[in-house]
Parts: sequence; C-alpha cells; structure tokens
Amino acid sequence: QVRLVQSGAEVRKPGASVTISCKAAGYTLSDYGIHWVRQAPGQRPEWMGWINVDKGNTKYSYKLQGRVTITRDNYATTVYMGLNRLRFDDTAVYFCARGLRKDNHDSFDPFDIWGHGTLVTVSS
Amino acid sequence: DIMMTQSPDSLAVSLGERATINCRSSQSVLHDSNKRHYLAWYQQKSGQSPKLLISWASTRESGVPDRFSGSGSGTDFTLTINSLQAEDVAIYYCQQYYSTPQTFGQGTRLDIK
Repeated sequence: QVRLVQSGAEVRKPGASVTISCKAAGYTLSDYGIHWVRQAPGQRPEWMGWINVDKGNTKYSYKLQGRVTITRDNYATTVYMGLNRLRFDDTAVYFCARGLRKDNHDSFDPFDIWGHGTLVTVSS
Repeated sequence: DIMMTQSPDSLAVSLGERATINCRSSQSVLHDSNKRHYLAWYQQKSGQSPKLLISWASTRESGVPDRFSGSGSGTDFTLTINSLQAEDVAIYYCQQYYSTPQTFGQGTRLDIK
C-alpha cells in the first residue's frame, strides 16, 4: 500500500526548532516530489515548500523563507522538514504530501498521497 | 499569490440530492503550454488528511466515485457531488498549483440536511 509515514507529535517552546521526518512505503521516494503543507486549527492548508527528492533541489514559500529547510537523506529514503525560530502561530498539523506526477521535476502538481500529519504545538 | 475563494462557506444538502461548490481564482490557472487548468479539489473528513478528488479541474482520481465531478475554466470552477451520500460529509478545498506558493480556498463545509 502506498503511503507516507511521518514522525510523531512534538512540543516546543517559542524560539526553538523542530524537525519532522517523512518516509515512503510502497513506492520509491525519489520517483516523486514531496511537498510540505501545514494546517492550523480550523484553517485552510498552507503550502510550505517542495523538494525534488531525486535531485535535492527545493522551493519554499516566501512567507517562511529563512525559517524552513527541506532535505532528504543520502539514500533518498527519508525527507525532513525543519522549522526554526518557532512562534505560537506555528502550532499546526504538518503534512508531507506526494506530487502527483512521477518523474516530474517541478513543483507544479496536486498532492495525491498525504502523510497522516504531525501535530506541532508551540507553547511556553 | 493567487487567491482562491470558495462559495458558499457551508451548505447542507439532503441525502440523494446534488451539492455544488464554487471556487474562483484571482487570476487564470490555465497553462498556455499544455492548455491544462492547474486546479484541484480535495475532501477532508474530520481528523483526517486531505484526499485528492479531482486534478486538472476535471480529472477524477482513481477510486473516487463518479458522483464527484469537476468543471470550469479560466478563473471559475465547480465541484459537483451528485446523489449525496452520508459519507460525503466533509470540508472541501480547491487548490491552485499553477504558481508558487500553491494556495487553497478557505474550504466549504458540507453537511446533511
């Protein structure tokens, strides 16, 4: 079964950093792009960024530029999303999601497979 | 950023009836090179991840019931759910993936009347 498996819930204080992992099951992670999307309680999803897992190149939302970093491990089996200088309004569920088209080298895809989500709570 | 605006914010429809959700983008999402609309629809049930229903404005994803259909062009799009079933209760989002950042509508909450 094709799915994305994310790491567990995190609690951080304001100003701290968090890293969430995303692993593929049932397909080769490097065959598709991976996007990160977050959703604050009761809000619409917000796109954060994308990585071409094969090549390693990335794009980020300008709203998060400088605070978000998306990487993959050397074997392209796991993708990571790091967010630093956390603020209270970063409290959200964070999803990794697969781009629709195989071997697509740009970020302009809808998202056909979503991880289960990782709750990040920023609290003092 | 391309702004996505859905209407209505919520609606209640009787079982077996039709539900219609609209989505408007602040600029065209039609790509000149391939004449495809970079517009998707998602269903999100309570406590779950979004599920892709429709891509390219009108292409139903594999496994999605054929009572779901997408239509529209340019900046105005519609998701139609025929013969509403109880399991269709959810929030529905449109999304443009024409430009970065990809953006979502505010969502339409669909309930049973």
